Amino acid sequence: QKEVEQDPGPLSVPEGAIVSLNCTYSNSAFQYFMWYRQYSRKGPELLMYTYSSGNKEDGRFTAQVDKSSKYISLFIRDSQPSDSATYLCAMRSIGGGTSYGKLTFGQGTILTVHP
Amino acid sequence: NAGVMQNPRHLVRRRGQEARLRCSPMKGHSHVYWYRQLPEEGLKFMVYLQKENIIDESGMPKERFSAEFPKEGPSILRIQQVVRGDSAAYFCASSPPPDSNYGYTFGSGTRLTVV
Repeated sequence: QKEVEQDPGPLSVPEGAIVSLNCTYSNSAFQYFMWYRQYSRKGPELLMYTYSSGNKEDGRFTAQVDKSSKYISLFIRDSQPSDSATYLCAMRSIGGGTSYGKLTFGQGTILTVHP
Repeated sequence: NAGVMQNPRHLVRRRGQEARLRCSPMKGHSHVYWYRQLPEEGLKFMVYLQKENIIDESGMPKERFSAEFPKEGPSILRIQQVVRGDSAAYFCASSPPPDSNYGYTFGSGTRLTVV
C-alpha cells in the first residue's frame, strides 16, 4: 500500500464548475500538507500549505484536512481553463529524525477545464 | 527575487556518460531536496541536503548516483554511467529549515534523456 493515494483521473469539467481533488494517507506521522499545481513540462508550483485539521481558503482555492480520517482535499471554485494542469498532494512529518524534511507525493490528478 | 534555478533545462547523454544537474536554491533557503519524476508518475524523493551535509539519501540509488551541496555554489546531482532508465525529469526544491512553517519551492527541472 502506498503511503499517499491520489486518484489520477483524468478529471474533465466545464468552466465554472467546482472541482474536488482528494488524497488519503496511511502514515499518521504526516502533519504538514501541501497542494501543488504542475503544468505540462514545468516544475510544481505551491498552491496551498496547511498543518492543522480544518479549512484554509485562498481565493478560489480551499484546502481541507481531516487528520482523524487521514484525508485531505482541495476545492477549486469557479474553475477556469487556465486551471487545467496536474494537481499533486504532498505531505511530510514533523519531529526528529532525518526523514522529517522529506515530502511524500501522491501520483497526481490530471484536470482539464473546458470552455 | 529569483526562484529555484536549475540547469541545464534539457540534457542529452549517451549510455555510459556522466550527467551533472545543478540547482541553486532560493535566496535565504539552506535546505535542498532532489526529486525524480518519470512519465505519468508523481515525484519520488531522492535526497535531502543542507550545506555540506547529506541529511537523508534514502531515496537515492546506492550506485551511480551522488549528491552534494557545497559551502559555496549550487547543489549538484551526479549520475555516473547513465542508462536508459535514468531518463526522467529531475526537480530540485528548496526551503528554510523544515521545522519552520513553510512550503517547499520547486525549480523548473532538468529533463535528462539517455540515448
